Amino acid sequence: DIQMTQSPASLSASLGETVTIECRASEDIYSNLAWYQQKPGNSPQLLIYDANSLADGVPSRFSGSGSGTQYSLKINSLQSEDVASYFCQQYNNYPTFGAGTKLELK
Amino acid sequence: EVQLVESGGGLVQPGRSMKLSCAASGFTFSNYGMAWVRQAPTKGLEWVATISYDGSSTYYRDSVKGRFTISRDNAKSTLYLQMNSLRSEDTATYYCTRGLRYFDYWGQGVMVTVSS
Repeated sequence: DIQMTQSPASLSASLGETVTIECRASEDIYSNLAWYQQKPGNSPQLLIYDANSLADGVPSRFSGSGSGTQYSLKINSLQSEDVASYFCQQYNNYPTFGAGTKLELK
Repeated sequence: EVQLVESGGGLVQPGRSMKLSCAASGFTFSNYGMAWVRQAPTKGLEWVATISYDGSSTYYRDSVKGRFTISRDNAKSTLYLQMNSLRSEDTATYYCTRGLRYFDYWGQGVMVTVSS
């Protein structure tokens, strides 16, 4: 299985700040990477696919980048509604997820 | 509007069986691969099984292979997960999702608790 190491595990940031979450794969996943947002009590929602493509309806303050084994999710101008957990997922092989990053407001 | 509505969860004893269903609407179900993803309480996400658009191909994580069966009825726009020989470690919220590689729509989830 491809292991996905996500960091940090938790993050506290202020409104308007820029936040970056990292994900490292145990082998090259050729940009076959998605990011999800899960708000408390809700199902996950797709944010980014193919490492840098924005899913339908997702605000443009979210962006994804990376290649090979290193990927990141950036949130520009943090809003209160962005408080959530974020997960990366590779699909170069059988799907595996990162352990998640819990984002809170400072 | 795409909707995925799971049903069939609850409390079950170890070693027993349970079948989950997922009713899909708002899209042409027979055109899409589908999957089940689970999340243990306060834990992360774990892919369980995937089925191709026509049901001809299925894939499972190792820990459920031989115990779980994913299937679909395209005439009814419904996805299933038959779970046999359930273990305590199968306790989780099970999500029905659309997609073969990444998952662009998720149901609200159904809780499965395996306990005596």
